[in-house]
Amino acid sequence: KQEVTQIPAALSVPEGENLVLNCSFTDSAIYNLQWFRQDPGKGLTSLLLIQSSQREQTSGRLNASLDKSSGRSTLYIAASQPGDSATYLCGGNAGNMLTFGGGTRLMVKP
Amino acid sequence: GAVVSQHPSWVICKSGTSVKIECRSLDFQATTMFWYRQFPKQSLMLMATSNEGSKATYEQGVEKDKFLINHASLTLSTLTVTSAHPEDSSFYICSAPDPSGGYEQFFGPGTRLTVL
Repeated sequence: KQEVTQIPAALSVPEGENLVLNCSFTDSAIYNLQWFRQDPGKGLTSLLLIQSSQREQTSGRLNASLDKSSGRSTLYIAASQPGDSATYLCGGNAGNMLTFGGGTRLMVKP
Repeated sequence: GAVVSQHPSWVICKSGTSVKIECRSLDFQATTMFWYRQFPKQSLMLMATSNEGSKATYEQGVEKDKFLINHASLTLSTLTVTSAHPEDSSFYICSAPDPSGGYEQFFGPGTRLTVL
């Protein structure tokens, strides 16, 4: 059974810093990995999707990488802004359903 | 991307009553939809897989008689929380897979259930 872990559980950084969020999964037979953002009391906003054949995806200040052999994915956020404050979730897809990590609560301080 | 809606966005009910939550794929058909539950400050946990035209598949520990799922059409799945109790208070989110087969999941905005 797929297990997904996110480290750190919480992170507080000053505005402008570059940061890395980590996601690890136990079953390397995943089809893809999705990164989401969730604001308090809200649903999920899809940020990036990395197919199993890809190694990274980029969107604006966000870059996500995938290393299936080591069971890891990272989300890199460049030049962080207060508006980036949210919970970031990764989800591994080994079929149609997603298995989520516990999330990283990010606070970017002005 | 494909759009998934949920209704209602929030609901408050008395203990012992039943609540129905709808999940709709607005611009595509979904033979499969997924229901997740999220407790405060926790991640999403899959409850069940809703299958159009057949019975839902429930995850271990989820009571199928309490959480009734009906996939009535190719664009609608409903989750009914029967005899709700305060411990059922949670954020319920549905998703549907990419209709083009790309494995991306599209999520609804969620429904906040509060049971008094």
